Amino acid sequence: EAGVTQFPSHSVIEKGQTVTLRCDPISGHDNLYWYRRVMGKEIKFLLHFVKESKQDESGMPNNRFLAERTGGTYSTLKVQPAELEDSGVYFCASSPQGWTGDNEQFFGPGTRLTVL
Amino acid sequence: AQTVTQSQPEMSVQEAETVTLSCTYDTSENNYYLFWYKQPPSRQMILVIRQEAYKQQNATENRFSVNFQKAAKSFSLKISDSQLGDTAMYFCAFKGGSQGNLIFGKGTKLSVKP
Repeated sequence: EAGVTQFPSHSVIEKGQTVTLRCDPISGHDNLYWYRRVMGKEIKFLLHFVKESKQDESGMPNNRFLAERTGGTYSTLKVQPAELEDSGVYFCASSPQGWTGDNEQFFGPGTRLTVL
Repeated sequence: AQTVTQSQPEMSVQEAETVTLSCTYDTSENNYYLFWYKQPPSRQMILVIRQEAYKQQNATENRFSVNFQKAAKSFSLKISDSQLGDTAMYFCAFKGGSQGNLIFGKGTKLSVKP
């Protein structure tokens, strides 16, 4: 069974440009999460999809970030326009359908975003 | 708001010895879940062990065990018989009973030395 995959693994862009990150969750997982780790700081939650619906987007930093999950499969996270403080590692995670408190979240390898 | 604190940014241990990583958290909830995740160098983060707050018995997974002190809001991870493959970043995480997302600490970088 394939794990959570993310593309690209690295992205270097200039301030003001647009970048789109993609996450493919484990097949059949309804829950999809985006997290971000800025260097030296905690991994912070961004948002949570259940299938194609946004269950919780309380962690999205501002309206320059747009997440979608069309058809309830893969998800994209677009940053437009990118700012220097957006640099960090963006993680995607997925977990099975339903909600059990101790459901394991399976993480992807992350996308390292550098904004110059 | 819930917070998770890992007070040890870096630790090292000799192969075959035992090491304990500390984690404290703050919450007003009574029902929640705690996790330790491990991220080896250049690899994906994986779950090491989990604990449900209402269970008094400490969780154990082979060489990994936790010391869960609910009153003290402490959730330390003990790694016995450390192996070179245990070298990784270790993240402590909290999940409230009514939320889906994890709240992470800053992580502890563990190096196992031969």
